[in-house]
Amino acid sequence: SAVISQKPSRDICQRGTSLTIQCQVDSQVTMMFWYRQQPGQSLTLIATANQGSEATYESGFVIDKFPISRPNLTFSTLTVSNMSPEDSSIYLCSVQRSGPNTGELFFGEGSRLTVL
Amino acid sequence: QKEVEQNSGPLSVPEGAIASLNCTYSDRGSQSFFWYRQYSGKSPELIMSIYSNGDKEDGRFTAQLNKASQYVSLLIRDSQPSDSATYLCAVTAGKSTFGDGTTLTVKP
Repeated sequence: SAVISQKPSRDICQRGTSLTIQCQVDSQVTMMFWYRQQPGQSLTLIATANQGSEATYESGFVIDKFPISRPNLTFSTLTVSNMSPEDSSIYLCSVQRSGPNTGELFFGEGSRLTVL
Repeated sequence: QKEVEQNSGPLSVPEGAIASLNCTYSDRGSQSFFWYRQYSGKSPELIMSIYSNGDKEDGRFTAQLNKASQYVSLLIRDSQPSDSATYLCAVTAGKSTFGDGTTLTVKP
Protein backbone atom coordinates (compact mmCIF):
# COMPACT_ATOMS: atom_id res chain seq x y z
CA SER A 1 0.00 0.00 0.00
CA ALA A 2 1.02 3.60 -0.51
CA VAL A 3 1.52 6.16 2.23
CA ILE A 4 -0.15 9.43 1.27
CA SER A 5 0.33 12.63 3.24
CA GLN A 6 -1.91 15.63 2.82
CA LYS A 7 -1.49 19.15 4.11
CA PRO A 8 -3.28 20.95 5.63
CA SER A 9 -5.43 18.46 7.48
CA ARG A 10 -7.98 21.17 8.13
CA ASP A 11 -8.39 24.87 7.67
CA ILE A 12 -10.93 27.61 8.11
CA CYS A 13 -10.94 30.06 5.24
CA GLN A 14 -12.61 33.31 4.38
CA ARG A 15 -14.90 33.70 1.43
CA GLY A 16 -13.08 34.83 -1.70
CA THR A 17 -9.69 33.48 -0.73
CA SER A 18 -7.82 30.52 -2.20
CA LEU A 19 -6.18 27.57 -0.54
CA THR A 20 -3.69 25.06 -1.87
CA ILE A 21 -3.72 21.47 -0.65
CA GLN A 22 -0.57 19.41 -0.96
CA CYS A 23 -0.37 15.66 -1.50
CA GLN A 24 2.84 13.67 -1.11
CA VAL A 25 3.11 9.95 -1.91
CA ASP A 26 5.90 7.71 -0.69
CA SER A 27 6.34 6.05 -4.09
CA GLN A 28 6.18 7.07 -7.72
CA VAL A 29 2.71 6.84 -9.24
CA THR A 30 1.46 7.61 -12.69
CA MET A 31 -1.93 9.01 -11.79
CA MET A 32 -3.12 10.90 -8.76
CA PHE A 33 -6.77 11.64 -8.15
CA TRP A 34 -8.48 14.44 -6.30
CA TYR A 35 -11.87 13.76 -4.74
CA ARG A 36 -14.32 15.91 -2.86
CA GLN A 37 -16.57 14.62 -0.12
CA GLN A 38 -19.22 17.09 0.95
CA PRO A 39 -20.81 16.68 4.37
CA GLY A 40 -22.84 13.49 4.58
CA GLN A 41 -22.21 12.63 0.97
CA SER A 42 -20.06 10.26 -1.02
CA LEU A 43 -16.90 10.88 -2.98
CA THR A 44 -16.94 12.85 -6.20
CA LEU A 45 -13.95 12.82 -8.51
CA ILE A 46 -12.71 16.32 -9.27
CA ALA A 47 -9.83 15.53 -11.59
CA THR A 48 -7.06 13.13 -12.49
CA ALA A 49 -3.53 14.50 -12.35
CA ASN A 50 -0.90 13.01 -14.63
CA GLN A 51 2.72 14.01 -14.40
CA GLY A 52 3.83 16.13 -17.32
CA SER A 53 0.39 16.91 -18.68
CA GLU A 54 -2.65 18.95 -17.78
CA ALA A 55 -5.11 17.46 -15.36
CA THR A 56 -8.28 15.89 -16.67
CA TYR A 57 -11.36 17.41 -15.03
CA GLU A 58 -14.71 15.74 -14.47
CA SER A 59 -17.97 17.28 -15.49
CA GLY A 60 -18.85 20.19 -13.24
CA PHE A 61 -15.26 20.98 -12.29
CA VAL A 62 -13.10 23.51 -14.11
CA ILE A 63 -9.43 24.39 -14.05
CA ASP A 64 -10.01 28.01 -13.10
CA LYS A 65 -11.74 26.94 -9.91
CA PHE A 66 -9.58 23.91 -9.08
CA PRO A 67 -6.13 24.35 -10.62
CA ILE A 68 -3.91 21.31 -10.17
CA SER A 69 -0.18 20.91 -10.38
CA ARG A 70 1.74 17.66 -10.81
CA PRO A 71 5.43 18.54 -10.93
CA ASN A 72 6.72 14.99 -10.37
CA LEU A 73 5.63 11.41 -9.81
CA THR A 74 5.23 11.74 -6.02
CA PHE A 75 3.59 15.12 -5.51
CA SER A 76 0.51 17.07 -6.50
CA THR A 77 -1.38 20.14 -5.36
CA LEU A 78 -5.01 21.14 -5.64
CA THR A 79 -5.99 24.76 -5.25
CA VAL A 80 -9.53 25.75 -4.36
CA SER A 81 -9.89 29.24 -5.76
CA ASN A 82 -12.18 32.11 -4.82
CA MET A 83 -13.82 30.00 -2.16
CA SER A 84 -17.45 30.20 -1.13
CA PRO A 85 -19.25 28.38 1.69
CA GLU A 86 -20.36 25.77 -0.88
CA ASP A 87 -16.72 24.71 -1.14
CA SER A 88 -16.73 23.57 2.47
CA SER A 89 -15.83 19.95 2.12
CA ILE A 90 -13.24 17.27 2.64
CA TYR A 91 -10.75 17.06 -0.21
CA LEU A 92 -9.01 13.75 -0.66
CA CYS A 93 -5.93 12.84 -2.61
CA SER A 94 -5.83 9.30 -3.92
CA VAL A 95 -3.55 6.98 -5.85
CA GLN A 96 -4.16 3.69 -7.56
CA ARG A 97 -2.42 0.47 -6.64
CA SER A 98 0.09 -0.48 -9.30
CA GLY A 99 -0.04 -3.88 -10.90
CA PRO A 100 -2.78 -5.99 -12.49
CA ASN A 101 -5.58 -5.14 -10.09
CA THR A 102 -6.20 -1.61 -11.24
CA GLY A 103 -8.83 0.50 -9.62
CA GLU A 104 -7.86 -0.19 -6.02
CA LEU A 105 -7.44 3.21 -4.44
CA PHE A 106 -5.49 4.44 -1.46
CA PHE A 107 -6.48 7.73 0.12
CA GLY A 108 -4.71 10.42 2.04
CA GLU A 109 -6.08 11.55 5.38
CA GLY A 110 -8.06 14.30 3.73
CA SER A 111 -8.13 18.06 4.06
CA ARG A 112 -11.24 19.42 5.76
CA LEU A 113 -11.99 22.94 4.58
CA THR A 114 -14.53 25.22 6.16
CA VAL A 115 -15.33 28.43 4.29
CA LEU A 116 -16.95 31.22 6.24
CA GLN B 1 -30.65 7.11 -12.21
CA LYS B 2 -27.47 7.16 -10.19
CA GLU B 3 -24.53 5.28 -11.62
CA VAL B 4 -23.95 3.42 -8.36
CA GLU B 5 -26.76 2.91 -5.88
CA GLN B 6 -26.52 1.44 -2.43
CA ASN B 7 -29.27 0.26 -0.13
CA SER B 8 -30.44 3.12 1.98
CA GLY B 9 -29.39 3.16 5.56
CA PRO B 10 -28.69 3.39 8.26
CA LEU B 11 -28.39 -0.31 8.93
CA SER B 12 -28.31 -1.58 12.47
CA VAL B 13 -27.49 -5.14 13.46
CA PRO B 14 -26.74 -6.79 16.80
CA GLU B 15 -23.26 -7.96 17.56
CA GLY B 16 -22.62 -11.39 16.08
CA ALA B 17 -25.21 -11.05 13.34
CA ILE B 18 -24.66 -10.94 9.59
CA ALA B 19 -24.73 -7.51 7.99
CA SER B 20 -25.72 -7.39 4.34
CA LEU B 21 -24.86 -4.42 2.18
CA ASN B 22 -26.05 -4.13 -1.40
CA CYS B 23 -25.05 -2.14 -4.44
CA THR B 24 -26.28 -1.90 -8.03
CA TYR B 25 -24.59 -0.17 -10.92
CA SER B 26 -25.72 1.05 -14.31
CA ASP B 27 -22.63 0.77 -16.53
CA ARG B 28 -22.45 -2.73 -18.02
CA GLY B 29 -18.88 -2.00 -19.07
CA SER B 30 -17.76 -1.86 -15.44
CA GLN B 31 -14.82 -4.11 -14.81
CA SER B 32 -13.82 -3.81 -11.19
CA PHE B 33 -15.83 -3.57 -8.01
CA PHE B 34 -14.76 -2.47 -4.56
CA TRP B 35 -15.96 -2.00 -1.04
CA TYR B 36 -14.41 0.71 1.10
CA ARG B 37 -14.94 1.28 4.78
CA GLN B 38 -14.96 4.81 6.15
CA TYR B 39 -14.94 5.48 9.84
CA SER B 40 -16.35 8.79 10.98
CA GLY B 41 -13.80 11.54 10.42
CA LYS B 42 -11.43 9.25 8.54
CA SER B 43 -10.68 8.62 4.90
CA PRO B 44 -11.94 5.53 3.06
CA GLU B 45 -9.93 2.31 3.20
CA LEU B 46 -10.24 -0.58 0.80
CA ILE B 47 -11.57 -3.77 2.36
CA MET B 48 -12.65 -5.90 -0.59
CA SER B 49 -12.20 -6.03 -4.34
CA ILE B 50 -13.90 -8.39 -6.76
CA TYR B 51 -13.44 -8.72 -10.49
CA SER B 52 -15.38 -11.80 -11.62
CA ASN B 53 -18.79 -13.27 -10.97
CA GLY B 54 -19.25 -15.24 -7.81
CA ASP B 55 -18.13 -14.95 -4.23
CA LYS B 56 -14.87 -13.81 -2.75
CA GLU B 57 -14.19 -14.38 0.91
CA ASP B 58 -11.66 -12.65 3.14
CA GLY B 59 -12.01 -13.43 6.81
CA ARG B 60 -15.42 -12.29 8.00
CA PHE B 61 -16.09 -10.45 4.74
CA THR B 62 -17.63 -11.93 1.60
CA ALA B 63 -18.13 -9.96 -1.58
CA GLN B 64 -20.57 -11.23 -4.17
CA LEU B 65 -20.75 -10.11 -7.78
CA ASN B 66 -23.41 -10.78 -10.39
CA LYS B 67 -22.60 -8.89 -13.57
CA ALA B 68 -25.75 -10.05 -15.36
CA SER B 69 -27.85 -8.43 -12.65
CA GLN B 70 -25.37 -5.55 -12.22
CA TYR B 71 -25.28 -6.26 -8.54
CA VAL B 72 -22.54 -6.46 -5.95
CA SER B 73 -22.92 -7.11 -2.27
CA LEU B 74 -20.87 -7.32 0.91
CA LEU B 75 -21.66 -9.67 3.75
CA ILE B 76 -20.07 -9.19 7.14
CA ARG B 77 -20.33 -12.26 9.34
CA ASP B 78 -20.10 -12.16 13.11
CA SER B 79 -20.46 -8.38 13.06
CA GLN B 80 -18.48 -6.51 15.69
CA PRO B 81 -18.96 -3.01 17.12
CA SER B 82 -15.68 -2.12 15.40
CA ASP B 83 -17.42 -2.74 12.06
CA SER B 84 -19.61 0.29 12.69
CA ALA B 85 -18.76 2.61 9.80
CA THR B 86 -19.98 3.81 6.44
CA TYR B 87 -19.43 1.33 3.64
CA LEU B 88 -18.89 2.68 0.16
CA CYS B 89 -19.41 0.66 -2.99
CA ALA B 90 -17.20 1.70 -5.90
CA VAL B 91 -17.36 0.60 -9.50
CA THR B 92 -14.57 1.15 -12.01
CA ALA B 93 -14.91 1.52 -15.75
CA GLY B 94 -11.82 3.57 -16.40
CA LYS B 95 -12.45 5.71 -13.36
CA SER B 96 -13.98 4.87 -10.00
CA THR B 97 -17.53 5.92 -9.22
CA PHE B 98 -18.74 5.71 -5.65
CA GLY B 99 -22.15 5.08 -4.21
CA ASP B 100 -23.55 7.25 -1.45
CA GLY B 101 -22.61 4.72 1.19
CA THR B 102 -24.50 2.73 3.79
CA THR B 103 -23.91 3.49 7.43
CA LEU B 104 -23.73 0.36 9.55
CA THR B 105 -24.09 0.32 13.31
CA VAL B 106 -23.33 -2.87 15.20
CA LYS B 107 -24.90 -2.81 18.65
CA PRO B 108 -23.24 -4.70 21.50
